[in-house]
Amino acid sequence: KAGVTQTPRYLIKTRGQQVTLSCSPISGHRSVSWYQQTPGQGLQFLFEYFSETQRNKGNFPGRFSGRQFSNSRSEMNVSTLELGDSALYLCASSLAGTRLDTQYFGPGTRLTVL
Amino acid sequence: AQTVTQSQPEMSVQEAETVTLSCTYDTSESDYYLFWYKQPPSRQMILVIRQEAYKQQNATENRFSVNFQKAAKSFSLKISDSQLGDAAMYFCAYGRDDKIIFGKGTRLHILP
Repeated sequence: KAGVTQTPRYLIKTRGQQVTLSCSPISGHRSVSWYQQTPGQGLQFLFEYFSETQRNKGNFPGRFSGRQFSNSRSEMNVSTLELGDSALYLCASSLAGTRLDTQYFGPGTRLTVL
Repeated sequence: AQTVTQSQPEMSVQEAETVTLSCTYDTSESDYYLFWYKQPPSRQMILVIRQEAYKQQNATENRFSVNFQKAAKSFSLKISDSQLGDAAMYFCAYGRDDKIIFGKGTRLHILP
C-alpha cells in the first residue's frame, strides 16, 4: 500500500504570493492533518479534516486554509506569503477518525519564501 | 495552557546500550493521549509509541518502552539495544480532541 504523498516536495515563492500544497493520504484513510515545522516554533498543528469537514484548527491566521476532497485528498493554501511562512509542511493521515490515532506522515513540502 | 517540555536538546548513546529520553507536560485534564514520534534525517515522521492516559500500563513496542507517571506528568521513552537506525529527532506530544502539542524535540546520536 502506498504511503502518504505530498506534492510538491520543494517550493520557492516570494512574499505576497500564494501557494497550494497537496496531500494524498493512504488509501482508505479519511482523516488528514496538517502541521508546520520550523526551527524556532517547532511542530505546530494547522488543521484536521475528516470526510471533507474541517474538524479542528490550530492557532494560525486566516491566511492559512485548507480543504479535503471526496477522495480524501487534501490541499492547504497560504495566501499573501510572509517570510515567516518558510517551513516544512507535513501532512498525516489516519485510518480512524482523529489525529489521536496512529498517524502516518508524508515526507513534507519544504516551502521557502524569499 | 498545556505545554510539553523535552529538557534534553541532544543526547548520545553507544550502539547496543540503553537510553532514556525525558518528557514532561502540563495539563489539568485527566483524559488525554501521549505520543513519541521519531523523525530521521529523511524527515518522514514515524509514530514510535502511543499511550492513553487512562491506561496505567506502560506502552511498549519492541525495543521502545515508556515510563508513564501520570501524577508527575512525566512520559519518558526508553530505547533498549540502541541501533544506528535509531538516530533521529524524537518528539514527545500531548493530544486531546481539540489539540495536539509537540515538544521541541531531542536529537539522539548513536555512537558506533
